[in-house]
Amino acid sequence: ETGVTQSPTHLIKTRGQQVTLRCSSQSGHNTVSWYQQALGQGPQFIFQYYREEENGRGNFPPRFSGLQFPNYSSELNVNALELDDSALYLCASSSGTSVINEQFFGPGTRLTVL
Amino acid sequence: KQEVTQIPAALSVPEGENLVLNCSFTDSAIYNLQWFRQDPGKGLTSLLLIQSSQREQTSGRLNASLDKSSGRSTLYIAASQPGDSATYLCAVRGNYGQNFVFGPGTRLSVLP
Repeated sequence: ETGVTQSPTHLIKTRGQQVTLRCSSQSGHNTVSWYQQALGQGPQFIFQYYREEENGRGNFPPRFSGLQFPNYSSELNVNALELDDSALYLCASSSGTSVINEQFFGPGTRLTVL
Repeated sequence: KQEVTQIPAALSVPEGENLVLNCSFTDSAIYNLQWFRQDPGKGLTSLLLIQSSQREQTSGRLNASLDKSSGRSTLYIAASQPGDSATYLCAVRGNYGQNFVFGPGTRLSVLP
């Protein structure tokens, strides 16, 4: 069974650019959640995708957007990058949206905005 | 709105000591609480998951307790080792939704 994978591992962008981060969910999982972890803080929920539809969103502006594909992999897109977007971005997959479905985390993508 | 805090923010202990990390949450309507370990620049490793109906969970040298009514959890690490050095995060999931609300973490250093 393959776990949650994310790509790329690291990337560096400049302010104002756009970035796309990718997440492959664990086999059999149809739900992907994205979290942002700024340095020295705990992760914060960005949004969740279930069966290709957004299914809940945290307190993040619309320039944070996502997609989920038929194979349940997912992308996180951030437009008009700001310095404060520098963070570790984590995705987690689960076999459903219910709270009884455990979430499994990927290794993260480290984004640096200069 | 659920808020999670962790005390202390950082802790440095000599090898072999037993230690306790604390986690508090404001809304007791949780479904479960999970403790994670995070090495610098890395992702999250799940350590222990406690369902709201449980009082504690144990795995090796780790023991986590949950007092839902008072909004508290503790992670006890016995006979600490330098390899335990990491940031420890607690997170809760509520009946209000599936996604985690995390605390800010406790950064642990175990000195040889």
